[in-house]
Amino acid sequence: SQQGEEDPQALSIQEGENATMNCSYKTSINNLQWYRQNSGRGLVHLILIRSNEREKHSGRLRVTLDTSKKSSSLLITASRAADTASYFCATDGTSGSRLTFGEGTQLTVNP
Amino acid sequence: DVKVTQSSRYLVKRTGEKVFLECVQDMDHENMFWYRQDPGLGLRLIYFSYDVKMKEKGDIPEGYSVSREKKERFSLILESASTNQTSMYLCASRPQGYLNYGYTFGSGTRLTVV
Repeated sequence: SQQGEEDPQALSIQEGENATMNCSYKTSINNLQWYRQNSGRGLVHLILIRSNEREKHSGRLRVTLDTSKKSSSLLITASRAADTASYFCATDGTSGSRLTFGEGTQLTVNP
Repeated sequence: DVKVTQSSRYLVKRTGEKVFLECVQDMDHENMFWYRQDPGLGLRLIYFSYDVKMKEKGDIPEGYSVSREKKERFSLILESASTNQTSMYLCASRPQGYLNYGYTFGSGTRLTVV
């Protein structure tokens, strides 16, 4: 079953704008991760946030985690056309070493 | 950089054929995974492995089997390919101590069964 659910399913913005994607999940987690997938390719790991962390930064990426609401957000600042891709959240549950992925947000950044 | 290599980017097979999808990683990772990705269904876990000769069923193992005879190689086998197994197949690996690591994915194999 899909643990994470991303919102929105699709997002279209102009270059230079910020993009925010949200993820909700259902059960307890050890960590939450965000991945990017360019069309027809494999996923690339972007950032991992542990359950005891509230915010994490990596370059133009900012991730927040609210375990009380079982939700996370990914913010991409100053977006570029090259950021056009699908973005997935994935949760690492407490029961074992496997990730459960959401269905992704398709981000389009228009030049 | 860790590399996960999937043997084929595109594959076309006939219904009823036995199909082998190969995945090799070069960083001595203990954990390896096979997912399939379909529009509207996201990524679904087929099988995973914690170590050589170890395997665990994921969410959708029916119609598939796996083999892990060496640590670096994890093979997915479609015993008798069917058209509903047309999909993108993604292999991934991760070291032990998983709480601190993400997956490294291969580039994917797009399988079409005709």
